[in-house]
Amino acid sequence: DAGVTQSPTHLIKTRGQQVTLRCSPKSGHDTVSWYQQALGQGPQFIFQYYEEEERQRGNFPDRFSGHQFPNYSSELNVNALLLGDSALYLCASSFGPVGVYEQYFGPGTRLTVT
Amino acid sequence: AQSVTQPDIHITVSEGASLELRCNYSYGATPYLFWYVQSPGQGLQLLLKYFSGDTLVQGIKGFEAEFKRSQSSFNLRKPSVHWSDAAEYFCAVGKYSGGGADGLTFGKGTHLIIQP
Repeated sequence: DAGVTQSPTHLIKTRGQQVTLRCSPKSGHDTVSWYQQALGQGPQFIFQYYEEEERQRGNFPDRFSGHQFPNYSSELNVNALLLGDSALYLCASSFGPVGVYEQYFGPGTRLTVT
Repeated sequence: AQSVTQPDIHITVSEGASLELRCNYSYGATPYLFWYVQSPGQGLQLLLKYFSGDTLVQGIKGFEAEFKRSQSSFNLRKPSVHWSDAAEYFCAVGKYSGGGADGLTFGKGTHLIIQP
C-alpha cells in the first residue's frame, strides 16, 4: 500500500518565479492538506482540499494556491516566490473531513529560493 | 485560535533511560491531540493520538501519552529509550468544526538526543 507521495524531492527557484508541487494521497484517502515547515520550526497549515474544493485555509497569502483533481491528487502553487518561501512543503492525506481523522504525511518537497 | 507549546527545544537522554516530552495546548473545547516524530530529511510519522475516552493512550514504538485536561497538557513518555529514538518530536492539536476536521496546529518541536 503506497503511502503519501510527493514530487519533486528538491527544487531550486529564483525570487519572483512560480513553482508547482505535487502530491498523491494514500490509497483510500480523499482529503489533502498542505503544510509549510521552515527550518527549525513546526509545520504550519496552508490549506486543505476535499471534493476538489478548498475547505479551509491557514494564514497564508493568496500567492499560495492549490488544486485537487478527481483522483484526489493535489497541487500546491506558489507565485512570485520570496526568499522566505524557502521551506519543506509537506502534504498530508486523510479520509474525509467529517468525523474522527488522522493525517498521514509525505516525505516533503524541499524548496530553496535564491 | 488554538496553540501548542513545547517548552523544551532540546532534550538529552541516556540510552535505556526514561523519557518525558512536554506539550501544553490552548484550546477552548476538547481538542484532538497528536504526537508526531520526524527523522532528518523525512516526513512526519504519527506516534499516537487522543480523541476521547481513556486519557492514557498507547502508541507505536513503545510510546504513550497522557491527556490532562486540568493542566492542558499531553506529555509523551517512553520507559526506556533506544538510540533510534533520536529525532524531532512534534505535538499537534486539531479540532473538529461543523464543516469537518480542520488543519493541525503544531508546536515548534523538541529535538531528542540520545547519549550512548
